[in-house]
Amino acid sequence: GAGVSQSPSNKVTEKGKDVELRCDPISGHTALYWYRQSLGQGLEFLIYFQGNSAPDKSGLPSDRFSAERTGGSVSTLTIQRTQQEDSAVYLCASSFAGRIHEQFFGPGTRLTVL
Amino acid sequence: AQTVTQSQPEMSVQEAETVTLSCTYDTSESDYYLFWYKQPPSRQMILVIRQEAYKQQNATENRFSVNFQKAAKSFSLKISDSQLGDAAMYFCAYTGTASKLTFGTGTRLQVTL
Repeated sequence: GAGVSQSPSNKVTEKGKDVELRCDPISGHTALYWYRQSLGQGLEFLIYFQGNSAPDKSGLPSDRFSAERTGGSVSTLTIQRTQQEDSAVYLCASSFAGRIHEQFFGPGTRLTVL
Repeated sequence: AQTVTQSQPEMSVQEAETVTLSCTYDTSESDYYLFWYKQPPSRQMILVIRQEAYKQQNATENRFSVNFQKAAKSFSLKISDSQLGDAAMYFCAYTGTASKLTFGTGTRLQVTL
């Protein structure tokens, strides 16, 4: 596609359930980033994938959060045993390798945990 | 660790007027980039303007320009001839060797008639 796409656009779940959020980066972009935007914490980095290198997971808030990137393209962010404080907008961005200054963002997934 | 500070939670400007949004940052790195992103209600983060730290010349994109003061670690955004479509949240952001973006807390800009 022309831009970064994310699905679903909105997700409502019950506390304790697992959720999966998907990001489809711009074709050819080898770097992929996940960020979280919440009322309490603002915009914060979660995880960064670059090609076949080990991902930078330094921003993941707990071991309930994990992410994978299959085939160097699509990425899935998984949150296990969701808590109300996980409610936020999850944003994905991608860039060409070494072009960290040109990150293109997707429209985000709004997660609401009841 | 790098930090980005936006001290203006909200700003208001009349249509066709000029407004300046403030941003300060802290870093020990010498090579980095600074950005202003716009986020309308649609949630889409849109890059407004980018500044490379090693460039002394301030970046300009049409009605948007920055005042980059490297020694003072200040990076303000000036919007000239403000339009109703400029109303949004504006985020100042930093990236350096760690590749990830570090964001400020944002400034909500209102544009009035």
